[in-house]
Amino acid sequence: GESVGLHLPTLSVQEGDNSIINCAYSNSASDYFIWYKQESGKGPQFIIDIRSNMDKRQGQRVTVLLNKTVKHLSLQIAATQPGDSAVYFCAVVNTDKLIFGTGTRLQVFP
Amino acid sequence: NAGVMQNPRHLVRRRGQEARLRCSPMKGHSHVYWYRQLPEEGLKFMVYLQKENIIDESGMPKERFSAEFPKEGPSILRIQQVVRGDSAAYFCASSPIQGTRTDTQYFGPGTRLTVL
Repeated sequence: GESVGLHLPTLSVQEGDNSIINCAYSNSASDYFIWYKQESGKGPQFIIDIRSNMDKRQGQRVTVLLNKTVKHLSLQIAATQPGDSAVYFCAVVNTDKLIFGTGTRLQVFP
Repeated sequence: NAGVMQNPRHLVRRRGQEARLRCSPMKGHSHVYWYRQLPEEGLKFMVYLQKENIIDESGMPKERFSAEFPKEGPSILRIQQVVRGDSAAYFCASSPIQGTRTDTQYFGPGTRLTVL
């Protein structure tokens, strides 16, 4: 079955630096991927998505890269701010359900 | 445009009691999903419903758990005879009509269930 993994449980970055959060997936047939941000005590918040016909997609301060060859995707956050501190999940769409990774906690220090 | 709404936000039950969790999808959304999240873990899919139909319940425990999404009113996740292991955050998500293609799911704030 589908599984999704995160490379690092915690990522600490200095305010203003760029952050890169990585994710690997197992099913080469997966064609839709979503990044969510979850702040403490809240539900996951949609950040950005990408479909398998694309390698890269950019949003406001965020970029998602998809490498289908090695089944890997990453979330890049430019000029990381204290408000970016949260747990970030990648999710793979499997039929109608989302398969979530375990999450990476991003800590931003001044 | 109100987002996905869930209530209660916090629910405390004693072992053996019933828990009812409610979810109102975003306006215009007719697909509802329930997920469970244990501390320090990712969300795990439980069930996917459309109005009056259960589409996929492959993530639901076989006993004590049930879900519905009636023609009128919110979706309900019901847990009978709760046990301590049911303590978790339960999230509801909704997505709009998109034919057979899964569209982006938007999450509610969750219900945190504590079983004493």
